[in-house]
Amino acid sequence: EAQVTQNPRYLITVTGKKLTVTCSQNMNHEYMSWYRQDPGLGLRQIYYSMNVEVTDKGDVPEGYKVSRKEKRNFPLILESPSPNQTSLYFCASSPQGYYNEQFFGPGTRLTVL
Amino acid sequence: AQTVTQSQPEMSVQEAETVTLSCTYDTSESDYYLFWYKQPPSRQMILVIRQEAYKQQNATENRFSVNFQKAAKSFSLKISDSQLGDAAMYFCAYRTQGGSEKLVFGKGTKLTVNP
Repeated sequence: EAQVTQNPRYLITVTGKKLTVTCSQNMNHEYMSWYRQDPGLGLRQIYYSMNVEVTDKGDVPEGYKVSRKEKRNFPLILESPSPNQTSLYFCASSPQGYYNEQFFGPGTRLTVL
Repeated sequence: AQTVTQSQPEMSVQEAETVTLSCTYDTSESDYYLFWYKQPPSRQMILVIRQEAYKQQNATENRFSVNFQKAAKSFSLKISDSQLGDAAMYFCAYRTQGGSEKLVFGKGTKLTVNP
């Protein structure tokens, strides 16, 4: 089944404790992206990747890191999480090209205490 | 920078009736794609319908159709014969051409379907 997977689905952590949210897709997509969803704000892009070893900042990159060592994986790293990073996070992927649909993972609910 | 505006935070409709969700956007690009995504309580983002700016014909997918007015930069979603399973948050989104190719989302409209 073609899909985007994320782990964990739920995470409660404390301020300053490094964490990684994994994202993997099995559709051989070049493009991958991370979004965060906050009430009343919709979804906003954090980072994106056009292909392996090519990543760039989105609209709200502060406090996040990413890497793209393999085409299928695009982990999101929070080196020192803070309470304002409490949010719902989505990973998405698509073939390259703005005309393509982005396929979303199931979301990761992160709470930082 | 592109922006997407959904002016209706909440809407409700009776089962089997028709409802229209509004969306306007701002862009200086001439070619682009617009999308409607549905987010049910499961939180999964599900594509409902998409429209290419160069196509004058409005997209339709079964009970879902759009009214795309390029000059007015308007992209509304019409749901016909509403069903209980249509209850969800609906997000209008614009995918940028070039650069980050990101989706720019509106803030969403929560749709309630009453039996």
